Amino acid sequence: GAGVSQTPSNKVTEKGKYVELRCDPISGHTALYWYRQSLGQGPEFLIYFQGTGAADDSGLPNDRFFAVRPEGSVSTLKIQRTERGDSAVYLCASSWTENTEAFFGQGTRLTVV
Amino acid sequence: GDSVTQMEGPVTLSEEAFLTINCTYTATGYPSLFWYVQYPGEGLQLLLKATKADDKGSNKGFEATYRKETTSFHLEKGSVQVSDSAVYFCALSTLVTGGFKTIFGAGTRLFVKA
Repeated sequence: GAGVSQTPSNKVTEKGKYVELRCDPISGHTALYWYRQSLGQGPEFLIYFQGTGAADDSGLPNDRFFAVRPEGSVSTLKIQRTERGDSAVYLCASSWTENTEAFFGQGTRLTVV
Repeated sequence: GDSVTQMEGPVTLSEEAFLTINCTYTATGYPSLFWYVQYPGEGLQLLLKATKADDKGSNKGFEATYRKETTSFHLEKGSVQVSDSAVYFCALSTLVTGGFKTIFGAGTRLFVKA
C-alpha cells in the first residue's frame, strides 16, 4: 500500500478483555515499530521488529503485552486482560533498515471501559 | 538512557510571528535528530531531520540546526501561518541491533491566531 495502515482505527473494550491491533507496513520496509501515545504525551516506544524477529522489546510495559510479525510484513500487537490504564493511541511505523526515517500510521485509539 | 526534552506548550502566536520551540537531548553515540509534526486529525509526519553535527534541516520554512556542543535541535520559523497550528515532536534516532530506534519528546502544541 501507499502508507502504513492500522486497523481498527478505534477500539472500545471492557476491562479484562483481550484485544489485537493490526499494522500493515509500507511494502518492502523491513523495520517495524510500535509506539503508545497517551493524551498530551509524545509517542512512547514499545517494540521494534527487524524482519520477523523482535530486535528490541524493552518498551513493552509488562507481560500482558505481546507482538508478532510472523512473515516479516504485517504485525499484530496483542494485549491480554486489558486495564483502563492501557487506554491510548497505539501507533505503528515502518522504515527501511538503512534509512532512519520512520513513516507512521494513523494509529488505533484503544479505550478500555 | 537516551532522552529528549522539549519546551512545554501550548505556544500561542499571532500570524507572521517568529517561532522557536526548544529541544535538547541526551544520547550516547551520535544520534540523528528529527522534528515530526502532527496536524489535527492526522498521523505523525516527518518535518525535517539532521544526521550529524552542524547539519541544518529545513522544510516548509522551518529550520533546525544540530548543535552537538549544546546538545540541542531547536525548531525555528520566521513567519508562522494559521496552517502551522499542530503538535511538534522533537526526536532522536540511535542505532540498535539491525536498525534504528526513535525516541520522542513529549510534544509542543502550537496555536497560531489569524
